[in-house]
Amino acid sequence: DQQVKQNSPSLSVQEGRISILNCDYTNSMFDYFLWYKKYPAEGPTFLISISSIKDKNEDGRFTVFLNKSAKHLSLHIVPSQPGDSAVYFCAAKATISSGSARQLTFGSGTQLTVLP
Amino acid sequence: IAGITQAPTSQILAAGRRMTLRCTQDMRHNAMYWYRQDLGLGLRLIHYSNTAGTTGKGEVPDGYSVSRANTDDFPLTLASAVPSQTSVYFCASSPSGRASYNEQFFGPGTRLTVL
Repeated sequence: DQQVKQNSPSLSVQEGRISILNCDYTNSMFDYFLWYKKYPAEGPTFLISISSIKDKNEDGRFTVFLNKSAKHLSLHIVPSQPGDSAVYFCAAKATISSGSARQLTFGSGTQLTVLP
Repeated sequence: IAGITQAPTSQILAAGRRMTLRCTQDMRHNAMYWYRQDLGLGLRLIHYSNTAGTTGKGEVPDGYSVSRANTDDFPLTLASAVPSQTSVYFCASSPSGRASYNEQFFGPGTRLTVL
């Protein structure tokens, strides 16, 4: 059973509008969350992260929101640009755990397409 | 070399053959990881190493082995490949495997097809 879920395999947005990518998790031990971006034929690259002590983290056009009670996080991209078209992976980890339980768990990804 | 390199870029392999995927990083990161990416399943951790000389099992370790003889290299070996190991494999590294808050840096991936 997947502990990190991205229920939307794809999302299309018009250039200049807001893109909202969603992620849900089931493991209450997760306390650190990251978003990665992946272009075709390349490895994922880190985008933004948030610790569970915060409910929002912003970096330029990218903002991540965390709702701990709902076990939900979202990535907002404003304004969306054609170059943002990529697969976005949500990832989570339990920093107080050890061994394999401390490692990142990834969601299945959402393909974002920003239309010009 | 800059960052993480993986070799080969792609490979077609007959079932039952042995294969080693290579991964080298020049960032002097302590921790390294191997993931496989499959459609609808995202990235799943195969094995990891928090520091040279140590390794650990991830979510899907069966059929794979790793070694970490030095800081820079982290090869992944398939002793006897099976078609279900057809996937894209990513190597990653991070400054510390024990620090709570550090990102991972990924290589470009190896596309492996087992027939």
